Amino acid sequence: EIVMSQSPLSLSVTPGEPAAISCRSDQSLIHSNGHNYLNWFLQKPGQSPQLLIYLASNRAPGVPDRFSGSGSGTDFTLNISRVEAEDVGVYYCMQVLRTRTFGPGTKVDIK
Amino acid sequence: EAQLVQSGGGLAQPGGSLRLSCRASGFTFSNYWMSWVRQAPGKGLEWVAMITQDGRTAYYADSVKGRFTISTDNTENSLHLHLSSLRAEDTAIYYCVRDLTGDRAPPIWGQGTMVTVSS
Repeated sequence: EIVMSQSPLSLSVTPGEPAAISCRSDQSLIHSNGHNYLNWFLQKPGQSPQLLIYLASNRAPGVPDRFSGSGSGTDFTLNISRVEAEDVGVYYCMQVLRTRTFGPGTKVDIK
Repeated sequence: EAQLVQSGGGLAQPGGSLRLSCRASGFTFSNYWMSWVRQAPGKGLEWVAMITQDGRTAYYADSVKGRFTISTDNTENSLHLHLSSLRAEDTAIYYCVRDLTGDRAPPIWGQGTMVTVSS
């Protein structure tokens, strides 16, 4: 089973400022096809999770371009270029290479 | 509109059983892998199980292996999760989800159903 970790576990951000969340796996997430099988989800308060980024760096349809994903192998980052009030919630990374595993989540709130 | 509508769940005693169901509409159900994800009260997301689009191969988290069974009925566009030998730590909201990989289409989540294990 692939184990995922995230840092920080909580983050308080000023609107308009950037934010970054790190995600690490204990095994490489590179598929034989060359893609990194790492997704990012946001669960807003009281809602089901929504996909933000798939395969490490691809924004899901409808996701604002202030969200971007990067990284490869075992180290990944979700960047928010300018945080908005609607971005509060818990961010999860998830490996989708072998079965599925979520990271512990990073709670983001607004200062 | 593609959607998943869940049913089942509720209260069960430790050691008991429950069945969760999830009916798909608005997309070709048999084209997608399906998963169950759960969230204990105040906790993070935990992947539970998934099944291939033909329903022949299933995968489970270690925490539920041997106790939970995932299945599909492609004639009824339905996904099921049979929960047995229930424990207090299985108490959670359970979500059915279409294809968590997201490379073909964004995942679709069911509305969630609460399972409470308590005597």
